[in-house]
Amino acid sequence: DIQLTQSPSSLSASVGDSVTITCRASQSIDSYLNWYQQKPGKAPKLLIYGASGLQRWVPSRFAGSGSGADFTLTINSLQPEDFATYYCQQSHTAPYSFGQGTKVEIK
Amino acid sequence: QVQLVESGGGLVKPGGSLRLSCAASGFTFSDYYIHWIRQAPGKGLEWVSYISKRGDTIAYADSVKGRFTISRDNAKNSLFLQMNSLRGEDTAVYYCAREIGYQPRLDFWGQGALVTVSS
Repeated sequence: DIQLTQSPSSLSASVGDSVTITCRASQSIDSYLNWYQQKPGKAPKLLIYGASGLQRWVPSRFAGSGSGADFTLTINSLQPEDFATYYCQQSHTAPYSFGQGTKVEIK
Repeated sequence: QVQLVESGGGLVKPGGSLRLSCAASGFTFSDYYIHWIRQAPGKGLEWVSYISKRGDTIAYADSVKGRFTISRDNAKNSLFLQMNSLRGEDTAVYYCAREIGYQPRLDFWGQGALVTVSS
């Protein structure tokens, strides 16, 4: 099974900052990597698909990059509504594993 | 609009069974793979299972294989998860989600159903 390791597990940032979250796969997954945002008590929302594709209605301050086994999610100019937990997920091979999550908190 | 609504959650004793349902609307249900994902209290997301459009391709996480069974009824726009031999570690919010794209991703999720396994 493919394991995904996210780093950091949590981070503190201020409104207007740029932050980067990384996701490393235990083997190559080409570009089959998605990113989701989850707020407390809510279902996750798709942000990025295929490593770098921006889901409809997601602001352009969110950007994904990478291929193979190393991926990043960058959030430029953090907004108050961006404080949440972010998960990567691989859809290369079942089981479609998730990373352990990165919680973005207000500094 | 696309909607997925889970039901059937509740409190069950260890070793017991429960059947979750996911009612779909706002799209052609039979055109999509559908997944179950769960989240234990205070923990991260765990992928559980998926089923193909006609139900002929199915996969499970190792943690539920042999105990859970996914199925669908396209005529009723419904997805199911039969959960047997439940354990405390199965306690979680269970989400159903729709898969789209040649680079598969989960674009719509239900609100979740809480399953609590406790004596």
